[in-house]
Amino acid sequence: AQSVAQPEDQVNVAEGNPLTVKCTYSVSGNPYLFWYVQYPNRGLQFLLKYITGDNLVKGSYGFEAEFNKSQTSFHLKKPSALVSDSALYFCAVRGPAILTGGGNKLTFGTGTQLKVEL
Amino acid sequence: KAGVTQTPRYLIKTRGQQVTLSCSPISGHRSVSWYQQTPGQGLQFLFEYFSETQRNKGNFPGRFSGRQFSNSRSEMNVSTLELGDSALYLCASRGTGQGARGADTQYFGPGTRLTVL
Repeated sequence: AQSVAQPEDQVNVAEGNPLTVKCTYSVSGNPYLFWYVQYPNRGLQFLLKYITGDNLVKGSYGFEAEFNKSQTSFHLKKPSALVSDSALYFCAVRGPAILTGGGNKLTFGTGTQLKVEL
Repeated sequence: KAGVTQTPRYLIKTRGQQVTLSCSPISGHRSVSWYQQTPGQGLQFLFEYFSETQRNKGNFPGRFSGRQFSNSRSEMNVSTLELGDSALYLCASRGTGQGARGADTQYFGPGTRLTVL
């Protein structure tokens, strides 16, 4: 079974400061990891993903994430937060296709509310 | 390319009724997945369709069903609605044939907000 943990329900940060949203995962085999963002009354917007390759992944809107296999973590980061980054962030995992029968079921964390204040 | 579209955006039903939600994937995408989002349970996988075949199914009762048409559009149906079915239902489409990097990303629609009274 695959699972994701987002240990912080809410993260508060001042505009201009760096931000980190934490995510740890559990999955058999090599993980496919994703970050999505959700604004109020909207669907999920894709930010970035890790499939293979460099452990530091760069995504949309200046976000990046670092894959750490030994710690089974995939923390989302941004060097300088903006008020407009305030939203709900979800980490998701999928196991390798050979174990999922080619399926693409994502397992999501519970979400972290990011609040960026002036 | 236009994104994933879902209709209707909002729906109010009463207990015992049934409802059908529709999803049109991104042009060229053949995989469609459905998720339920509630404050208590978070985001939960319902099912995935690929080329009109159900590929995966989550742990939901048989009242939840879906189908996919030859043009990749998908519908999900919930029969005998219960209060607990009130949720945001999200549809996501995924491309294929784009290589390992592109094919794995699911792109979500805006969702259908279902309220059961």
